[in-house]
Amino acid sequence: GQQVMQIPQYQHVQEGEDFTTYCNSSTTLSNIQWYKQRPGGHPVFLIQLVKSGEVKKQKRLTFQFGEAKKNSSLHITATQTTDVGTYFCAATSGSRLTFGEGTQLTVNP
Amino acid sequence: DTAVSQTPKYLVTQMGNDKSIKCEQNLGHDTMYWYKQDSKKFLKIMFSYNNKELIINETVPNRFSPKSPDKAHLNLHINSLELGDSAVYFCASGPGDTQYFGPGTRLTVL
Repeated sequence: GQQVMQIPQYQHVQEGEDFTTYCNSSTTLSNIQWYKQRPGGHPVFLIQLVKSGEVKKQKRLTFQFGEAKKNSSLHITATQTTDVGTYFCAATSGSRLTFGEGTQLTVNP
Repeated sequence: DTAVSQTPKYLVTQMGNDKSIKCEQNLGHDTMYWYKQDSKKFLKIMFSYNNKELIINETVPNRFSPKSPDKAHLNLHINSLELGDSAVYFCASGPGDTQYFGPGTRLTVL
């Protein structure tokens, strides 16, 4: 089945620093989704990217879909303690959604 | 108001027991899922039902059996629980690709 590799697995930042997580696939993706899971919580849908080269923003979060539709990134500008959690990318393959391994972000105040 | 609900939230049991987790969604979605999240946070799909019909059945031991009495409910029954079954189990539903997750059930097998 389709696999998406996500890096880094862990990221520790000081509050105010930027953060980026990357998602890569060896095959062309039809779309990519991003989810956030707070500690002790459940994954929550953030956004879906469909078009080649697409860039979407949600406040301090910027999502990009590569031109070849094989990679994606999530960038957070000036992290806050509320950004703590695990960020997952996920790609559709047939009728299933395959999740990346996730990036666990911790933010030191 | 709850979109996807699961019960129980916590489940602690002995090895060899049989247990069930219930899931209900009030979003009107046709498709429901069960995911397992291990201690490393890896999310792995187990089952998917579309309008009560099984459409995804990953490589999951036969001890796990999903049941969907109607399209708003997808329950998970686990027989002969093993230590390795300890994890957080998430139910989800979706109109298409996007998944709406329940709060999760933390299963601990002693």
